[in-house]
Amino acid sequence: DAGVTQSPTHLIKTRGQQVTLRCSPKSGHDTVSWYQQALGQGPQFIFQYYEEEERQRGNFPDRFSGHQFPNYSSELNVNALLLGDSALYLCASSLTVNEQFFGPGTRLTVL
Amino acid sequence: AQRVTQPEKLLSVFKGAPVELKCNYSYSGSPELFWYVQYSRQRLQLLLRHISRESIKGFTADLNKGETSFHLKKPFAQEEDSAMYYCALSGRGGDDKIIFGKGTRLHILP
Repeated sequence: DAGVTQSPTHLIKTRGQQVTLRCSPKSGHDTVSWYQQALGQGPQFIFQYYEEEERQRGNFPDRFSGHQFPNYSSELNVNALLLGDSALYLCASSLTVNEQFFGPGTRLTVL
Repeated sequence: AQRVTQPEKLLSVFKGAPVELKCNYSYSGSPELFWYVQYSRQRLQLLLRHISRESIKGFTADLNKGETSFHLKKPFAQEEDSAMYYCALSGRGGDDKIIFGKGTRLHILP
């Protein structure tokens, strides 16, 4: 089991563009959470998906949206990118509450 | 407000000396407390959680509800302990989003 995988590893976009990040959970896990980690900060919770629905959401604008597929993989979409969206985006998967396993992250740079 | 505070950005400790990484939290209710660690070029991983009451890699952490603290301790630091450490909390009863502190970089000096 490769654990949680994320793609792409790095991404460069310009302001106003849209981006899609992808996550495959650890085998057997059905819940996917997304976090944003700005430079020098701890990860901040964006939202969580379970049974293909958004179950919880953090304090992020509607420009941030997501999706979970029947195979439990997930996408994070960010519209109308801002410079401040530059960060490491982490995906975490879990089966039981609180046992979250993290992926390596996608580094997004917005120019 | 739900918050995790790690007052030290950087902590430098000599090999063999005791280590204490401080963590204070604010949460209405009874949270779950965790320590996550990120070694160089590795992904974020769970080190320990308070409900397990385990000692992992020689580290322990005691939840002090009166002081709302969850400090991470190790009696004798090793060079391989150098890493970024994040204190975190989560709610119970389905509210399982994790709230992280800003992290403390632990640097073990030879």
